[in-house]
Amino acid sequence: DADVTQTPRNRITKTGKRIMLECSQTKGHDRMYWYRQDPGLGLRLIYYSFDVKDINKGEISDGYSVSRQAQAKFSLSLESAIPNQTALYFCATSDPGLAGRSYNEQFFGPGTRLTVL
Amino acid sequence: GESVGLHLPTLSVQEGDNSIINCAYSNSASDYFIWYKQESGKGPQFIIDIRSNMDKRQGQRVTVLLNKTVKHLSLQIAATQPGDSAVYFCAETVSGGSNYKLTFGKGTLLTVNP
Repeated sequence: DADVTQTPRNRITKTGKRIMLECSQTKGHDRMYWYRQDPGLGLRLIYYSFDVKDINKGEISDGYSVSRQAQAKFSLSLESAIPNQTALYFCATSDPGLAGRSYNEQFFGPGTRLTVL
Repeated sequence: GESVGLHLPTLSVQEGDNSIINCAYSNSASDYFIWYKQESGKGPQFIIDIRSNMDKRQGQRVTVLLNKTVKHLSLQIAATQPGDSAVYFCAETVSGGSNYKLTFGKGTLLTVNP
């Protein structure tokens, strides 16, 4: 039973198309994050949200937008996809009050592999 | 644990051997560190964490060592098994207040040979 789910898991699209990646969580966490992962570059933060009314840019937000529809849902959009946005995208959650662990521990979804042709 | 170009550092070990994966972190103010394991086709999963007031922490078959003097972190896996094959990431953060940011290393690919 996945606590953090992402849809779709794989997507191939063409340059210029609008794409939305969706993330849902059943962990009840307030904080949600979107990362992209490229080979040899680790995980880079795109956007993050501390609650439904809070949206913040990460280190590589250009070309992306997000929507926090509810505590449990955080969507990432590529308004006009380009080939260098081909990557693996991860959603993550964290809970500032998580007992026994630092509130900075993040729980990741399974990822969405996006290919832009 | 640093990458060169687009290639991950790799570590290849025999099943049953001990593995040591290294990570150099960048921020001297970082006071909380996490090791994540990422198996093929999956998201990163928490393995073990350590705060800066410790220099060693042990889990089940894993030990994390922290050397703040040289900003170095290592993950030791005892009796490595084929199921340990994955990419391992360290992450650092400065805890407290509204801090959110985990800074991830580039990862090390561990391959366990049967």
